[in-house]
Amino acid sequence: EDKVVQSPLSLVVHEGDTVTLNCSYEVTNFRSLLWYKQEKKAPTFLFMLTSSGIEKKSGRLSSILDKKELFSILNITATQTGDSAVYLCAEGSGGSNYKLTFGKGTLLTVNP
Amino acid sequence: GAGVSQSPSNKVTEKGKDVELRCDPISGHTALYWYRQSLGQGLEFLIYFQGNSAPDKSGLPSDRFSAERTGGSVSTLTIQRTQQEDSAVYLCASIPAGAQIPYEQYFGPGTRLTVT
Repeated sequence: EDKVVQSPLSLVVHEGDTVTLNCSYEVTNFRSLLWYKQEKKAPTFLFMLTSSGIEKKSGRLSSILDKKELFSILNITATQTGDSAVYLCAEGSGGSNYKLTFGKGTLLTVNP
Repeated sequence: GAGVSQSPSNKVTEKGKDVELRCDPISGHTALYWYRQSLGQGLEFLIYFQGNSAPDKSGLPSDRFSAERTGGSVSTLTIQRTQQEDSAVYLCASIPAGAQIPYEQYFGPGTRLTVT
């Protein structure tokens, strides 16, 4: 059974710190790896990664995938209190092109 | 424009009662998902609708759960004879026609279900 493991489960930092969130996966027929930010209830899409070694970047957030070692990282530089959220990693694989398997998430708290 | 809406936002019910959760996707979105998120867990796939194709119900945890999508738009998730372990946030997401699935999911705000 496919499995997505995120670490750490929770993290508390101060504004201005840089954080790295980890996501490892065990899959067959890998298709894509996605990152979401979940504030309150509704997740919002951050990145989709399909190729190894190509960094995706959006402002202070960036992400990269290593398909050989089966992991991805999400970096947030110069953190702000508005970055406080649960960050979810999900992978799409297998016979369907629409199913995602989600990790449990990393709860990030950024203190002023 | 209007996003995905879900109702009710919160629902408290007694064990054994039936509940119905509603999802109104963005107009024109052809694909729709239901997920369940229990406390401290990631999103668990429940069911997927795509156009007029037969839905993928493989994620429904038991036969007490059912879902339908009428007219390719509004969807309802029904849980019969609710149990305490059904307590969770139920999220709906829709995808526009022609979008790269499963990439462009637009999530609703969810329904928090509490079974007492």
